Amino acid sequence: DGGITQSPKYLFRKEGQNVTLSCEQNLNHDAMYWYRQDPGQGLRLIYYSQIVNDFQKGDIAEGYSVSREKKESFPLTVTSAQKNPTAFYLCASSPRTSGRARETQYFGPGTRLLVL
Amino acid sequence: GQSLEQPSEVTAVEGAIVQINCTYQTSGFYGLSWYQQHDGGAPTFLSYNALDGLEETGRFSSFLSRSDSYGYLLLQELQMKDSASYFCAVNRGSTLGRLYFGRGTQLTVWP
Repeated sequence: DGGITQSPKYLFRKEGQNVTLSCEQNLNHDAMYWYRQDPGQGLRLIYYSQIVNDFQKGDIAEGYSVSREKKESFPLTVTSAQKNPTAFYLCASSPRTSGRARETQYFGPGTRLLVL
Repeated sequence: GQSLEQPSEVTAVEGAIVQINCTYQTSGFYGLSWYQQHDGGAPTFLSYNALDGLEETGRFSSFLSRSDSYGYLLLQELQMKDSASYFCAVNRGSTLGRLYFGRGTQLTVWP
């Protein structure tokens, strides 16, 4: 079955520690995204990537970093510079085609990050 | 700046019709999307409007008026399973889905 997987489901971070969240898709989508969701809030865009070896900052990129070395993978690192990292992190992908198909984003199940 | 306004909560009974409104103010607009999210789950795509008018997909319909910077999601024949959060999102990118999400509307459907 095609889809997006994120791991781990829950992640605990100690103060001053960097942690990496995994996102893998087998939908053959070119574009991938990372969002952060706080309780009772909408999703905020952290980083996005249109194609391998290219990525752009979203609305709240400070304290985060990404890489896109493979089409199917887009890991997110939450660095120690992110002072309030506790949130629900969602990865998504979309086809990079014309028309309505590219407007649909498919989301993974998310990772909950908690600070100890 | 950018802003998206939608009601925080809506309640209705099974079988009823409910409309969730969304007004937006953004720099760059290419379309309005709607997503559904059940508690603790991943958002799922419901509908997208790039042009003015009504789009119908089964029990769900979405409307857009670009001149009024306004859209709505219409849910008909409500079922208990429709209880979820509904987000409107503006697509700011011409070639890539750079979505800006609203805070969401919590819909509760009562029996």
